[in-house]
Amino acid sequence: ETGVTQSPTHLIKTRGQQVTLRCSSQSGHNTVSWYQQALGQGPQFIFQYYREEENGRGNFPPRFSGLQFPNYSSELNVNALELDDSALYLCASSLTRRDGYTFGSGTRLTVV
Amino acid sequence: AQTVTQSQPEMSVQEAETVTLSCTYDTSESDYYLFWYKQPPSRQMILVIRQEAYKQQNATENRFSVNFQKAAKSFSLKISDSQLGDAAMYFCAYRSATGGTSYGKLTFGQGTILTVHP
Repeated sequence: ETGVTQSPTHLIKTRGQQVTLRCSSQSGHNTVSWYQQALGQGPQFIFQYYREEENGRGNFPPRFSGLQFPNYSSELNVNALELDDSALYLCASSLTRRDGYTFGSGTRLTVV
Repeated sequence: AQTVTQSQPEMSVQEAETVTLSCTYDTSESDYYLFWYKQPPSRQMILVIRQEAYKQQNATENRFSVNFQKAAKSFSLKISDSQLGDAAMYFCAYRSATGGTSYGKLTFGQGTILTVHP
């Protein structure tokens, strides 16, 4: 197992810009989810992908979008960044939707 | 919608002693999973223990055990023989076992910061 790898680890962007965060899942993990974790809070579900299709979404606006690729990597894209988007973004993958999740160490995004 | 509540923002324990972290949840579903995750300063969420709602027997993983009370919708975590490495933020989480767009989604509580004193 290679675990879940996220890049970059830290990122600073300006309000209004766009950002792409990347996640490399464990081989064979068909399900990937993204979470936003504000400082001192529990993670909030953004969306989930299963076999390259979005199949679940939390209460996040459309400027949060994602992609999942056949090589088990995925992306989280955020357009028109707002100050409140500053948070830790976590990627989690699992073999199937019924299995437990393996989390990455996250990307700390700061919007100034 | 499901909710998860952790009413203890912070807890502390002496090394080698026992501590219990509380979690309650609200759901109308009968089939679901409950989890405790640990998040150390390294930020990576680590699975501590998992409970399937249809199983009456409480889950145990070495020094970690849960008290699952389905009727009361309570899911507490007991850490025995606490170690310095147990210090972290602990999150309780819920996941539906039924189908639909929420399938697979984890709903987290607000977390409990655990401090272990030597």
